[in-house]
Amino acid sequence: DIQMTQSPSTLSASVGDRVTITCRASQSISYYLAWYQQKPGKAPKLLIYKASSLESGVPSRFSGSGSGTLFTLTISSLQPDDFATYYCQQYKSYSGMFGQGTKVEIK
Amino acid sequence: QVQLVESGGGVVQPGRSLRLSCAASGFTFSSYSMYWLRHYPGKGLEWVAFMSADGINKYYADSVKGRFTISRDNSKNTLYLQMNSLRTDDTAVYYCARNANGLTWGQGTLVTVSS
Repeated sequence: DIQMTQSPSTLSASVGDRVTITCRASQSISYYLAWYQQKPGKAPKLLIYKASSLESGVPSRFSGSGSGTLFTLTISSLQPDDFATYYCQQYKSYSGMFGQGTKVEIK
Repeated sequence: QVQLVESGGGVVQPGRSLRLSCAASGFTFSSYSMYWLRHYPGKGLEWVAFMSADGINKYYADSVKGRFTISRDNSKNTLYLQMNSLRTDDTAVYYCARNANGLTWGQGTLVTVSS
C-alpha cells in the first residue's frame, strides 16, 4: 500500500497568514493527489485535485503543487472560514489512502 | 448538482449486522466508481470499500475484508454496504463518495457499535 504522511499535524496561525501543509507519498503517485477540508460534524470538501487543479467554487487563495512524492497545499491569506482540518489523499491506486490530517487552529 | 445521501446508520450490538444505502442524484451514477469511507470520532479518514462503475471490481480494506460487502444497483442509482459481524472499532461516521479526480462526499451516517 502507498502511505501518505502529512506535516505538520497541527498548525497555529492568524488571519492573513500564509499557510503551507506538506504531504509526502511513500512511492511516486505522479499527480494523483487531492486535498480536502473538513470541519467538525461535516463531510470533507474537495479543494484541489490532480495536485494543482482548483475544484470549482473553491476560493483562489487555495493552491496546490507537487508531483511524484512531495506535495503542498498553500493558503495564501488565511481567512476565518479556513480554520479546519485538511487531508491529502492519493488516488493512484484504489486503496485511496489519506494523510493523517493537519488541524489549522487560531493562534 | 451532485448529491449523495446516506442512510441506514444507527446503534447496533457487537456481532450484529447493518446495511447502509447511498442514494445518488445529479450525475450519471452508472458511469462512476464509488467508495465507502469512514471517519473515526476525533481521528482520521479511512477508506472501507471500492466498487467499479460496472460493479465488477470490488476491493476492501483489510480491516473489513470478509465482513463487509459493497454492492450497487445502477437502475436505482444506489450504492450499498452490508456490514456483518460488527465490532466496537467499526464505530464511525460512514460516507459514500463518487470517485472522479478526487472524491465528492455525501453527508455521512453514524454507525455506533455498542453493547
